Amino acid sequence: GESVGLHLPTLSVQEGDNSIINCAYSNSASDYFIWYKQESGKGPQFIIDIRSNMDKRQGQRVTVLLNKTVKHLSLQIAATQPGDSAVYFCAENILNQFYFGTGTSLTVIP
Amino acid sequence: DAGVIQSPRHEVTEMGQEVTLRCKPISGHDYLFWYRQTMMRGLELLIYFNNNVPIDDSGMPEDRFSAKMPNASFSTLKIQPSEPRDSAVYFCASSFGGGPYEQYFGPGTRLTVT
Repeated sequence: GESVGLHLPTLSVQEGDNSIINCAYSNSASDYFIWYKQESGKGPQFIIDIRSNMDKRQGQRVTVLLNKTVKHLSLQIAATQPGDSAVYFCAENILNQFYFGTGTSLTVIP
Repeated sequence: DAGVIQSPRHEVTEMGQEVTLRCKPISGHDYLFWYRQTMMRGLELLIYFNNNVPIDDSGMPEDRFSAKMPNASFSTLKIQPSEPRDSAVYFCASSFGGGPYEQYFGPGTRLTVT
């Protein structure tokens, strides 16, 4: 299957700082990407998505950047809060099939 | 709404035993998805239903796995016989319309097969 990988398995940030979580994908045919947040003991929660015809998309405190040249996706969280502590993973869509990464654990230090 | 409900939350069983996982989707949702999550492989889609009909079961690992949706408010995922490599967290999700941004996940069932 396709590979969706994360550069960093863990990330610790100070409360109030910005967080950047990265994701690499391998298939240039991927046309749709999603970032999920998963808190301990809970199911994944959709955060934000982006289509391949876009480079950037913003939500509330979150921004996703897509660099198709290097097949790289990032999630930026502004003013990180303790409630942002969770595992974040990306997913890519290829021909209506989703492939999910294994995740990066974000810890926010108060 | 109570959200997607899964039971049991934890299941420990011995190799060779039958395991049945249960899911109650959100009322009114017409899509139901079963996923498996492991540290090594991440989240994997096993099967999904639309209006109680299985649409794509290509993610079901082997014949030991089966899923049913007898009505709009209930689905089961059965593993028979179970093996240690089936140990994972199994999630059920439901949505109205099938779009991934509309999926609501349940809390998951943590399955351990010894």
